[in-house]
Amino acid sequence: EDQVTQSPEALRLQEGESSSLNCSYTVSGLRGLFWYRQDPGKGPEFLFTLYSAGEEKEKERLKATLTKKESFLHITAPKPEDSATYLCAVRSDNTDKLIFGTGTRLQVFP
Amino acid sequence: NAGVMQNPRHLVRRRGQEARLRCSPMKGHSHVYWYRQLPEEGLKFMVYLQKENIIDESGMPKERFSAEFPKEGPSILRIQQVVRGDSAAYFCASSHRGTGELFFGEGSRLTVL
Repeated sequence: EDQVTQSPEALRLQEGESSSLNCSYTVSGLRGLFWYRQDPGKGPEFLFTLYSAGEEKEKERLKATLTKKESFLHITAPKPEDSATYLCAVRSDNTDKLIFGTGTRLQVFP
Repeated sequence: NAGVMQNPRHLVRRRGQEARLRCSPMKGHSHVYWYRQLPEEGLKFMVYLQKENIIDESGMPKERFSAEFPKEGPSILRIQQVVRGDSAAYFCASSHRGTGELFFGEGSRLTVL
């Protein structure tokens, strides 16, 4: 069964304090790993798609990387506006749906 | 703004009533997905539809829940005889040709009294 596990559940950072979020996955055949950001009371907002081990994508202070077993979302010098829940999802080769993890709730304090 | 539109944003129903949630996908998107989110939990897949077809309904409860995406008009998620456990946020997402990159609406929050 396809599975996604995210850690930590919650993370508190001081503004400027870089860190990483982890997404471990088990799928029958990876057809994409996706990162989303979700603000309270809002729908998830698409950030990145990664398709193969070794692939990296960047957007502003965020950088996503992928290995055969996990993905990391690196946050460099975060700002308070980066506070949100970050969701990881996978798509396997026998389905078109995304399977989501439970997310990491990030709080960045000034 | 041609984003995914969901309505109503908030819906209150008493036990035993019916809830109908609507979703208009992004312009040009023909694939619609419905997810349910409970507080402190992740997004749970419910159903995947294309125009006039249900492609994958493996996440739909066997009773009381149904979904459609007609040739004309929005996709509709219908919950009959609601119970308190149906209280949740229901998100619709759309994609272009099943690319996997889903674009979500703001959600419909159902409260069952």
